[in-house]
Amino acid sequence: QVHLQESGPGLVKPSETLSLTCTISGGSISNYYWSWIRQPPGKGLEWIGHIYYASTNYNPSLKSRVTISLDTSNNQFSLKLTSVTAADTAVYFCVRDLSSYSAGHGYAFDVWGQGTMVTVSS
Amino acid sequence: DIQMTQSPSSLSASVGDRVTITCRASQSISSYLNWYQQKPGKAPKLLIYAASSLQSGVPSRFSGSGSGTDFTLAISSLQPEDFATYYCHQGYGTPRTFGQGTKVEIK
Repeated sequence: QVHLQESGPGLVKPSETLSLTCTISGGSISNYYWSWIRQPPGKGLEWIGHIYYASTNYNPSLKSRVTISLDTSNNQFSLKLTSVTAADTAVYFCVRDLSSYSAGHGYAFDVWGQGTMVTVSS
Repeated sequence: DIQMTQSPSSLSASVGDRVTITCRASQSISSYLNWYQQKPGKAPKLLIYAASSLQSGVPSRFSGSGSGTDFTLAISSLQPEDFATYYCHQGYGTPRTFGQGTKVEIK
C-alpha cells in the first residue's frame, strides 16, 4: 500500500522560500504523475502543479514562483515556492496523480499524504 | 481555467436521508470529474472517479453520475461517518481545479 509523507519547515519567513519534500513508501515513483495541492485554513483546495519524470505543469497563478522536482533514487519529490507571503499559509498535501492512466480513471488524485501545515510569518 | 461550482455550499441532513450534491463545470469536461470526502484535520479521500466509478473500499451508498458540464454525487442513506465536506475536481484541463466544497452537517 502506497504511503506519502510530507516533510519540511512549519514556519517560513515572508519573502523566503518554502521547501517541502514528499517521501513515497510502499510503491515506486515511476510511471505516475505526482502533484502538490494546498489548502489555506478554513478554505478549499488549490492545485499547485505536478511532475511526470522530467515534465512539469504548474498552476499559472503560482507558476513564476514554483518548482517541483523528482528524486527517483530516494523515491521523493519536492516543492519549492519562492517569495512567500502570508497568503501562502496553508496545509500542503503531496498526492499521487493518475494523469498517466487512461481517461477511464478521470485523472483523479488517489493517494494523499496527511498534509503539513506551513505558516508564513516573521 | 475551468471553474467548478458546487451546490449547495452546505446542507443539514439526518441519518438515513438521501443526499445529493451537484457540481457544474464552466465548460464540457466529458467524464473527467472526481469526488472527494474530507473530514476535519484529514486529507481528502477519493470516493468517485471518472464521474461514476466507485473507488475501491468506498461504500456502495455513494454514487456519481453526469457528463459534460453537470454532475451529481448521491449518498443513498446518510451514515454518521458521512458528515464531512465534499469536493468535486476536474481532471480534464490544467490547471486542475476543485469546487468550493459542500459541507454536510447533522440536522
